[in-house]
This record gives sequence, structure tokens and C-alpha cells, in this order.
Amino acid sequence: QKEVEQNSGPLSVPEGAIASLNCTYSDRGSQSFFWYRQYSGKSPELIMSIYSNGDKEDGRFTAQLNKASQYVSLLIRDSQPSDSATYLCAVYKNAGNNRKLIWGLGTSLAVNP
Amino acid sequence: GAVVSQHPSRVICKSGTSVKIECRSLDFQATTMFWYRQFPKKSLMLMATSNEGSKATYEQGVEKDKFLINHASLTLSTLTVTSAHPEDSSFYICSAPGTRKETQYFGPGTRLLVL
Repeated sequence: QKEVEQNSGPLSVPEGAIASLNCTYSDRGSQSFFWYRQYSGKSPELIMSIYSNGDKEDGRFTAQLNKASQYVSLLIRDSQPSDSATYLCAVYKNAGNNRKLIWGLGTSLAVNP
Repeated sequence: GAVVSQHPSRVICKSGTSVKIECRSLDFQATTMFWYRQFPKKSLMLMATSNEGSKATYEQGVEKDKFLINHASLTLSTLTVTSAHPEDSSFYICSAPGTRKETQYFGPGTRLLVL
């Protein structure tokens, strides 16, 4: 089992719809979770972080965390063509001297005008 | 958010030459920086963790003699790809932790093409 799993997609939604991106992780002790957006040919950009169970909203983005079920999701409301990108889920691994982000493979999102 | 720069943004070199990539934290100090490699349509692969004042920590399978890392100061880390070959052609990205150390801010990346 991979440490962080995402559906690679592509996920295709019409403009104005809600895009739902999901991520599961294997380390039950994980405490910090992140969503990054990466446009083609560019480096990742942090869009959301979440540390507690429940929802966290920032503009059109809502991150949801359920530690009991070991999943974290990202909802994008009123999707725009400019949201078309690859969304990377990352989970912070805090294990002694080996502290690093563990990355999912990313979900490709296409928002169609 | 914190700003991280990389230089150069793009480099083309001949096989067998060495290429140095710089990563700088512009408005904060970073005792740790991370170096990633990303092949087309693939996810990020952590290569190594750069530590100011000590040796870098390399991920399993990454040749430390080929990918030399030097964390010269609290704002600068460099990655040198020695004796580059076409299979080293990739997108190299550095990142640095923010105020909350779990958060990483990425540089714009360096696209390396080895002919």
C-alpha cells in the first residue's frame, strides 16, 4: 500500500461545478495534511493546509479531514478553467530524524468552459 | 508566503558536464531545504534533504556522488549534477520549510536538458 494515494484522474468537471478531490494515507499517526496545485511546467503551490478533523474553508476551496478514516479531501466550488491543474496531496511524516512530506501522485483536474 | 528562488530556470548542457543549481530563501532563513526531481507527467520525487552546517540526507537510490548538495548558508543551498547524462534531464525543484516547519514553499524549478 502506498503511503499517500490519490486517483490520478483525469477528473473532468464543467465550469461552475464542484470538483471533489480525494486522498487517503496509511500512517495513522499523521497530523499535518496539505493540498498543492501544480500547473503544467511549473512548481507546486500550496493552496490548503489542514491539521484538525473537520472542514477548513478558504475562498472557493474547502479541505476536509477525517483522521479515523484516514482520508483528506479538497472541494473546489464554482470551478473555473483556471483551476485546471494537477492537485497534489501531501502528508507530513514526523519520524525522528526522517521528517519530510510524503506525496501522492496527484490528480489531474480539467474544468471545461 | 515565503519566497524561494532558483537559478538558472533552464539549462542545456552537453553530456559529461556538471551543472550547478542554486536555491535561495529570499526573505527568511532556512536551515533545511529539500531537493526534488520530477519527470514529465510524474509526481515529485524527493532526492535529498539539505542541512545547513552538516551533510545532506539522501533518499534511497539517489547517488550522493552524482548529486552533490552544499548548504553554504542559511539562505543558500546548491545542487550539482556531476557528469550529467541524458537520463538526468528532468525538472529539479527545491523547497524550504516555512514558519510552520511542515509547510514547504517551492522554488520555481530548473529545467535541465542534457544533450
